[in-house]
Amino acid sequence: AQSVSQHNHHVILSEAASLELGCNYSYGGTVNLFWYVQYPGQHLQLLLKYFSGDPLVKGIKGFEAEFIKSKFSFNLRKPSVQWSDTAEYFCAVGTNYQLIWGAGTKLIIKP
Amino acid sequence: ETGVTQTPRHLVMGMTNKKSLKCEQHLGHNAMYWYKQSAKKPLELMFVYSLEERVENNSVPSRFSPECPNSSHLFLHLHTLQPEDSALYLCASSQDLASRAGNTGELFFGEGSRLTVL
Repeated sequence: AQSVSQHNHHVILSEAASLELGCNYSYGGTVNLFWYVQYPGQHLQLLLKYFSGDPLVKGIKGFEAEFIKSKFSFNLRKPSVQWSDTAEYFCAVGTNYQLIWGAGTKLIIKP
Repeated sequence: ETGVTQTPRHLVMGMTNKKSLKCEQHLGHNAMYWYKQSAKKPLELMFVYSLEERVENNSVPSRFSPECPNSSHLFLHLHTLQPEDSALYLCASSQDLASRAGNTGELFFGEGSRLTVL
């Protein structure tokens, strides 16, 4: 079955640490890729997306993600996190038929 | 503020109650969705509406009944729910139906209705 795997349910980092959240998917066809973020008590919102072109995508608030087709991965990165990045992050993969979601990773940044 | 408003934000109900969740979008979008968000699980797509017509029903139990009276409003009627139905219910909208598969763009979500079934 098609699925999206986010490797960690919880990640705890200190401010200024570098961040990488993993996302792998199982689907052999063409995909569109998304990262959404849900800040505490707020709505889910789009962080960045990849449709085509440069596999390194830059999003809001200093986040970026790299699509590696051979690894079926779309990992999210940020070189230096801030306390305000505390949130839950969801990877989603569009397959032309459906949008498949990961289970989310809760990121906690210690001040 | 996303342009998608959900009420109530919190709801506690017994298994024999009947209640409804409401969603309103102010974005002029043509497609609206109900999702179920449970801890440590992927978002579950429940229903999809396009221009007030239901186009997808993902094997959701009949105790959940959606209604879309117009393209701006979406309801989820709840009846004789079970404790395992406790979750955050998210409403979302998109410009067109293709966005349900991520083809053309993003989904815009409301803040959700936190449902607790006792």
